[in-house]
Amino acid sequence: AQSVTQLGSHVSVSEGALVLLRCNYSSSVPPYLFWYVQYPNQGLQLLLKYTTGATLVKGINGFEAEFKKSETSFHLTKPSAHMSDAAEYFCAVDAGNMLTFGGGTRLMVKP
Amino acid sequence: SAVISQKPSRDICQRGTSLTIQCQVDSQVTMMFWYRQQPGQSLTLIATANQGSEATYESGFVIDKFPISRPNLTFSTLTVSNMSPEDSSIYLCSVNGQGAVNTEAFFGQGTRLTVV
Repeated sequence: AQSVTQLGSHVSVSEGALVLLRCNYSSSVPPYLFWYVQYPNQGLQLLLKYTTGATLVKGINGFEAEFKKSETSFHLTKPSAHMSDAAEYFCAVDAGNMLTFGGGTRLMVKP
Repeated sequence: SAVISQKPSRDICQRGTSLTIQCQVDSQVTMMFWYRQQPGQSLTLIATANQGSEATYESGFVIDKFPISRPNLTFSTLTVSNMSPEDSSIYLCSVNGQGAVNTEAFFGQGTRLTVV
């Protein structure tokens, strides 16, 4: 069985500040890990993914995430938030051809 | 990549009626997935649809309530039957990538359903 926990259903940052969205997972097999973003009234868009290899992965829009096996974490970061980053972010794990999503984190960016 | 067209994009329906959501993919895929996203919630997998066989439903979802069709490798439908206000959600169709991007899932834009 696999599960995903996203700490903080809502995160608020000021424009230009660091963005940190937390994700912890559990999986009985080496997982594939994903971050998806959902803008209002839209479907999900892949931000980045980790499959194998380098544990620090870079995605679109300046986001990156680091896979830490010892901590079973895959936190999403961005050095400087932009107003356009305001959206819902979902961490997901795939450990057998089925995606399991975390509860989501709504990111709010204050001017 | 895969491009998924889902329709309708939104609908408002009377309780007791049924709505069929269509999902069209621009390439042939083995499995198609249907998710539900209730207001303020994450995505929950309803069922997996394979072409030529019955859909596989997750715990808490049944075929009588959410019948699924998968007539070919590029198309699927999900019907929400005998709707109640609790069925108000966003319903999303998804496929896994093929070939070099087979580790990635692609999503339709979703169908926002409101039941009144």
